Amino acid sequence: KNEVEQSPQNLTAQEGEFITINCSYSVGISALHWLQQHPGGGIVSLFMLSSGKKKHGRLIATINIQEKHSSLHITASHPRDSAVYICAVRLKVSNTGKLIFGQGTTLQVKP
Amino acid sequence: NAGVMQNPRHLVRRRGQEARLRCSPMKGHSHVYWYRQLPEEGLKFMVYLQKENIIDESGMPKERFSAEFPKEGPSILRIQQVVRGDSAAYFCASSQQTNTEAFFGQGTRLTVV
Repeated sequence: KNEVEQSPQNLTAQEGEFITINCSYSVGISALHWLQQHPGGGIVSLFMLSSGKKKHGRLIATINIQEKHSSLHITASHPRDSAVYICAVRLKVSNTGKLIFGQGTTLQVKP
Repeated sequence: NAGVMQNPRHLVRRRGQEARLRCSPMKGHSHVYWYRQLPEEGLKFMVYLQKENIIDESGMPKERFSAEFPKEGPSILRIQQVVRGDSAAYFCASSQQTNTEAFFGQGTRLTVV
């Protein structure tokens, strides 16, 4: 079993829909990252969370440390949001800052 | 302030050749991480370096792979005698400290023919 699990693996939505991507982890963490990767493109850091909730534009990320769960929400989705969204965690026991990644969620938003 | 710069963006090597991938961290960042993304797989940690020191290389293959981050200049990931299985996207990330946000480069896509 992977230490970081994302669901769903694939998601298709219509433009304007509210989207939720989930991330569960089985280890103690000091921080959780949400990343975005467009096909053939680089990786963009969307959020780094250690507690609570963060919002940036149409994106909202939440984390529940007790339940070891985080969600990424996209409001009023747009075709340009189509990308792979990756959850990554930094282990609490690690003093190196390296990240462990989920498999990613491939999102396609149709016009 | 330029982001993390990786070059080349695309690299084609024949089997047996050497591949050198470069990463210039963001200004003020002294922590560099290399990650590999094999086709249809997730990202995996390879190595973590600070200036002139390898801190954690637990994700590096035992042979043919090496990394450095000299006092001056970019971090280099070197793959000797490349094989087809080395074909992947290699991403570099940098941060100011171990517990601060890491920023990623555009990646180098290595194809071994």
